[in-house]
Amino acid sequence: EDQVTQSPEALRLQEGESSSLNCSYTVSGLRGLFWYRQDPGKGPEFLFTLYSAGEEKEKERLKATLTKKESFLHITAPKPEDSATYLCAVRGYGGSQGNLIFGKGTKLSVKP
Amino acid sequence: DSGVTQTPKHLITATGQRVTLRCSPRSGDLSVYWYQQSLDQGLQFLIQYYNGEERAKGNILERFSAQQFPDLHSELNLSSLELGDSALYFCASSVGIGTSTGELFFGEGSRLTVL
Repeated sequence: EDQVTQSPEALRLQEGESSSLNCSYTVSGLRGLFWYRQDPGKGPEFLFTLYSAGEEKEKERLKATLTKKESFLHITAPKPEDSATYLCAVRGYGGSQGNLIFGKGTKLSVKP
Repeated sequence: DSGVTQTPKHLITATGQRVTLRCSPRSGDLSVYWYQQSLDQGLQFLIQYYNGEERAKGNILERFSAQQFPDLHSELNLSSLELGDSALYFCASSVGIGTSTGELFFGEGSRLTVL
């Protein structure tokens, strides 16, 4: 069964304090690993797609990396506006097409 | 603004009742997905429709059903409601049958409270 585990559940940082969020996954053939951002009261918003181990993607202060068993979302010098819940999802060859399996997310709070 | 519209935003009802949630996908998107989000389970895939046809099914209860209409809007029907059905229900859309980039466009959700 495809599964995604995110850690930590919650993370509090001071503005400018860099850190990483972890996403561990088990999937029967990875078709893609995806990161989303979700603000309170809103739907998830797409950030990145990673397809193979060693791949990296960057957007502003965020950088996503992928290994064969996990992905990291690195946040460099975060600002309060980066506060949100970050969701990781995978799609494998064994699941139904279009069926993204999401983790429970990491709630990030960045204090000024 | 993702371009996906969901109504109603909030809904409070009693156990045993039936409700309908509505979703209008982004202009041009043919696929509609329904997800349920609760505090303990996270985002759970329920069902996907593509151009009016059911395409994929996830953890959707038999008490729940959905359809996609010729104008591509979709409805999720929840019946014989139980307290545990209280959750946020999200609709998402994409252009094709599946999305190779994993980019789904989510609406702002319908918050269902069952009392």
